[in-house]
Amino acid sequence: DGGITQSPKYLFRKEGQNVTLSCEQNLNHDAMYWYRQDPGQGLRLIYYSQIVNDFQKGDIAEGYSVSREKKESFPLTVTSAQKNPTAFYLCASTKSKNTGELFFGEGSRLTVL
Amino acid sequence: KNEVEQSPQNLTAQEGEFITINCSYSVGISALHWLQQHPGGGIVSLFMLSSGKKKHGRLIATINIQEKHSSLHITASHPRDSAVYICAVRSLMNYGGSQGNLIFGKGTKLSVKP
Repeated sequence: DGGITQSPKYLFRKEGQNVTLSCEQNLNHDAMYWYRQDPGQGLRLIYYSQIVNDFQKGDIAEGYSVSREKKESFPLTVTSAQKNPTAFYLCASTKSKNTGELFFGEGSRLTVL
Repeated sequence: KNEVEQSPQNLTAQEGEFITINCSYSVGISALHWLQQHPGGGIVSLFMLSSGKKKHGRLIATINIQEKHSSLHITASHPRDSAVYICAVRSLMNYGGSQGNLIFGKGTKLSVKP
């Protein structure tokens, strides 16, 4: 079955460490997105990618980095520069940028100790 | 003021009740999405609509573009419908650094009691 796989589901990190969240899709979608979800707030866009080797900053890109070397993969690195990284992170995709049905992964919960 | 407002924030219903969740938005849009987030955190797309009404099983979504308002209805609610329901609109204007990015509501937490 086609879908989006995120890993790990839970991650604990010490302050000052970088961590990378994996997002893989087998839907043959061109566009992929990373969102952050905090309690009581709507999802906020961190980064998005319309096509391989291209990505753009969203609302809250500071302290994060991404790469898109393969169509299927869009990993997110939470760097030590992110001041408040504890959150739930969701990866999503659409067939092309900003059109069509959204598909989400199961999310990754990052806790900074 | 948030561009996308959902009401109510929290909703508790008895099994079998008819449920309505509302979404109002203040920007021009090309599409509106209704999403369901399960307690584990994963999100599933329920509907994408730009006009009129769509139905899938016990779920019905309507949108009034002139009123900038959408409703999600659940008929004959069941405990397995317990989840957070999220409204998101695809803006015609620049948002989040690009035209056409999504603006999300904060969600409506639904709990259906047996």
